[in-house]
Amino acid sequence: TQLLEQSPQFLSIQEGENLTVYCNSSSVFSSLQWYRQEPGEGPVLLVTVVTGGEVKKLKRLTFQFGDARKDSSLHITAAQPGDTGLYLCAGEGAQKLVFGQGTRLTINP
Amino acid sequence: ETGVTQTPRHLVMGMTNKKSLKCEQHLGHNAMYWYKQSAKKPLELMFVYNFKEQTENNSVPSRFSPECPNSSHLFLHLHTLQPEDSALYLCASQRGVGGLYNEQFFGPGTRLTVL
Repeated sequence: TQLLEQSPQFLSIQEGENLTVYCNSSSVFSSLQWYRQEPGEGPVLLVTVVTGGEVKKLKRLTFQFGDARKDSSLHITAAQPGDTGLYLCAGEGAQKLVFGQGTRLTINP
Repeated sequence: ETGVTQTPRHLVMGMTNKKSLKCEQHLGHNAMYWYKQSAKKPLELMFVYNFKEQTENNSVPSRFSPECPNSSHLFLHLHTLQPEDSALYLCASQRGVGGLYNEQFFGPGTRLTVL
């Protein structure tokens, strides 16, 4: 069974600080996706990383796929209250997505 | 707006009731999914439909019955549910199963409470 572990599960920081969220597995995935979910809504896709070592940037968010395609990280620079939400990583395996349990991020003004 | 709509957004039902959840996608996708999201647990895949055919049933109890009349619509029929079935039920669509990148588009979910 493929599993994805996200850490930390909860993170509360002040506006302007930097943070990193991790997504780890012992399994290899053909791609890995990051979603953000806001209260009362479904997850919304932020990015897909495919190649080992790949780095993608989305404004203040930087996503990295591990060289072995088993792990990924999300780094946010100068966090803003609008970044608050549940961040989910999902690995593509066996023609379906395996989701981590999520990181609930709160950015305090 | 993700192109996937779900109704109702909230549902409260007793254990003896029968109700249905509806999902519709306007993206021209061929695959549709039902997920269950409970507090402190990862998203749990329930059912997968590809071109209207069920391709996965992830050991879901028979009190949940899916229906996919066409590639744009997906239903989840509920009967004799238990309080532990209370959760957010999410529908998602994808271009197709087994494609190059399996990017899924989610609806806003139905918040279900079973009394």
